[in-house]
Amino acid sequence: AQSVTQPDIHITVSEGASLELRCNYSYGATPYLFWYVQSPGQGLQLLLKYFSGDTLVQGIKGFEAEFKRSHSSFNLRKPSVHWSDAAEYFCAVGGGENTGFQKLVFGTGTRLLVSP
Amino acid sequence: DAGVIQSPRHEVTEMGQEVTLRCKPISGHDYLFWYRQTMMRGLELLIYFNNNVPIDDSGMPEDRFSAKMPNASFSTLKIQPSEPRDSAVYFCASSFSGPSTGELFFGEGSRLTVL
Repeated sequence: AQSVTQPDIHITVSEGASLELRCNYSYGATPYLFWYVQSPGQGLQLLLKYFSGDTLVQGIKGFEAEFKRSHSSFNLRKPSVHWSDAAEYFCAVGGGENTGFQKLVFGTGTRLLVSP
Repeated sequence: DAGVIQSPRHEVTEMGQEVTLRCKPISGHDYLFWYRQTMMRGLELLIYFNNNVPIDDSGMPEDRFSAKMPNASFSTLKIQPSEPRDSAVYFCASSFSGPSTGELFFGEGSRLTVL
């Protein structure tokens, strides 16, 4: 069964600084990988996804993520953080078309705080 | 499109009462998911439907929980009887199984408090 680990519960970043949120997954085949963001009192919104092809994927709001099969990682990055990026970020893994890629397993989330 | 619509947004009830949460997915989406979010357990998949048919309900905690999808535009999650440990935010999400998809569209959630 697939699983996702987000080792950082909280991260504080200064506005304008770069950001990297870590995500490690466990899955026996090629995973489908996602990053979602949740603002307070809201549902989750997709930032970006990786299915295949280029291992560096671009998403909305200036975010990108890199799939590294050798590290079983899918870290989220942003070169310059804005105060509006403060939210909770979830990494998720799906099993692919043959095993029900619609069924996602989410990590426990990383809460991003942005300091002035 | 209005997005995924959930009701009620907040529900406070007493232990033993029946709770019904409602969801209207995005029109044209053929998958519907119910998730539960708590501080202790994070985001858990309870059940999901494809074309109104339940596909996997292995995440449903126990028999007190039931979910239905009578048509493509409506689903309910029912808890009977409710217990304090059911307090959580319940999210409904929908998606489309077409190519290049895999994106779940979430509602704003129903926050349940069982006293």
